[in-house]
Amino acid sequence: EAGVAQSPRYKIIEKRQSVAFWCNPISGHATLYWYQQILGQGPKLLIQFQNNGVVDDSQLPKDRFSAERLKGVDSTLKIQPAKLEDSAVYLCASSSTSGTSYEQYFGPGTRLTVT
Amino acid sequence: AQKITQTQPGMFVQEKEAVTLDCTYDTSDQSYGLFWYKQPSSGEMIFLIYQGSYDEQNATEGRYSLNFQKARKSANLVISASQLGDSAMYFCAMGEDSNYQLIWGAGTKLIIKP
Repeated sequence: EAGVAQSPRYKIIEKRQSVAFWCNPISGHATLYWYQQILGQGPKLLIQFQNNGVVDDSQLPKDRFSAERLKGVDSTLKIQPAKLEDSAVYLCASSSTSGTSYEQYFGPGTRLTVT
Repeated sequence: AQKITQTQPGMFVQEKEAVTLDCTYDTSDQSYGLFWYKQPSSGEMIFLIYQGSYDEQNATEGRYSLNFQKARKSANLVISASQLGDSAMYFCAMGEDSNYQLIWGAGTKLIIKP
């Protein structure tokens, strides 16, 4: 079974530029999460999708961040314009919530550096 | 408010020894899950073990076991016979059964010494 795929793995941009990240979850997983992880901290949830609907985006800075999951499969996260404090690893995870356990499986992450 | 606390920022353990990573949680929910993840320096987040709040037996997965003490609201991870490859950040997380979201601790950096 293929895992969660993310691209790109690394991205360096200048502040005020835009950037987009892509995620393809494990086949059949209805729930998809985007996290931001600052070095030395635990992941912070940005947005949660159930199929192609948003469950929770309360911590997404909507003035600059946007995310979509068209057709309920893969997803993109965009930052426009980027700030220095957006430098972090962006993790995508997926979960099957049909069983008794709902562990999340993570992709390799995208390390973003904003200069 | 729900919260996860990991009080050990870092730990050094001799290879082949057992290690216990502490995790306490706070919730008013009756139905929840507890998770442990490993994050090596390469950055990927790896699921290790899960314990449901109604599970009476402690969860085990190979060398990993979860010491679940519900009354004390603790969910410590025990790694038996530690190996050099166990060196990583370890995160404890609590899941809300109502919305499948995880609340994360700050992590413990474990270093295994040869």
